[in-house]
Amino acid sequence: DGGITQSPKYLFRKEGQNVTLSCEQNLNHDAMYWYRQDPGQGLRLIYYSQIVNDFQKGDIAEGYSVSREKKESFPLTVTSAQKNPTAFYLCASSIRTGNWQPQHFGDGTRLSIL
Amino acid sequence: RKEVEQDPGPFNVPEGATVAFNCTYSNSASQSFFWYRQDCRKEPKLLMSVYSSGNEDGRFTAQLNRASQYISLLIRDSKLSDSATYLCVVNINNFNKFYFGSGTKLNVKP
Repeated sequence: DGGITQSPKYLFRKEGQNVTLSCEQNLNHDAMYWYRQDPGQGLRLIYYSQIVNDFQKGDIAEGYSVSREKKESFPLTVTSAQKNPTAFYLCASSIRTGNWQPQHFGDGTRLSIL
Repeated sequence: RKEVEQDPGPFNVPEGATVAFNCTYSNSASQSFFWYRQDCRKEPKLLMSVYSSGNEDGRFTAQLNRASQYISLLIRDSKLSDSATYLCVVNINNFNKFYFGSGTKLNVKP
């Protein structure tokens, strides 16, 4: 089955620790995205990538980093500089070209501080 | 000003009712529009795209009004299973950057 796989489902971070969230897709999509969702709020864009080895900051990139070494994979690292990391993190992908290509989401990672 | 704005609700309706949500967008260069459904503590799932000519899928109808810069979602004969948060999503200028509204919560009661 084609889809987007995020892991782990739940993650706990200690003070001063970096953690990495995995996102893998087998949809052959060029574009991939990371969003953060806080309780009762909409999705906010952290980073996006339109092609391998290229990515751009979204609206709330501070304290996060990404890489895009392979088309299928777009891991997100939450660094110790992100002081309020507790949130629901969603990875998505879409076909690069075409107005009407919607995003498809993985089932998310819930990150909490210990 | 937010790119996409939605009434957060909640909209509390009885089973069988018809309910409508609107979503306004601020950028007139917006090109494509979508409605997503998000269940509690789950990922958003695509409900439907919103074309200029409108779009209908069973009990769900979506409309686009470019002059007034809003899109709407109409749900007829509401079911208990329609209870969810409905997210409005806008893509601007064909760049692969999507703007999400904060969502409208719908509660369908027996």
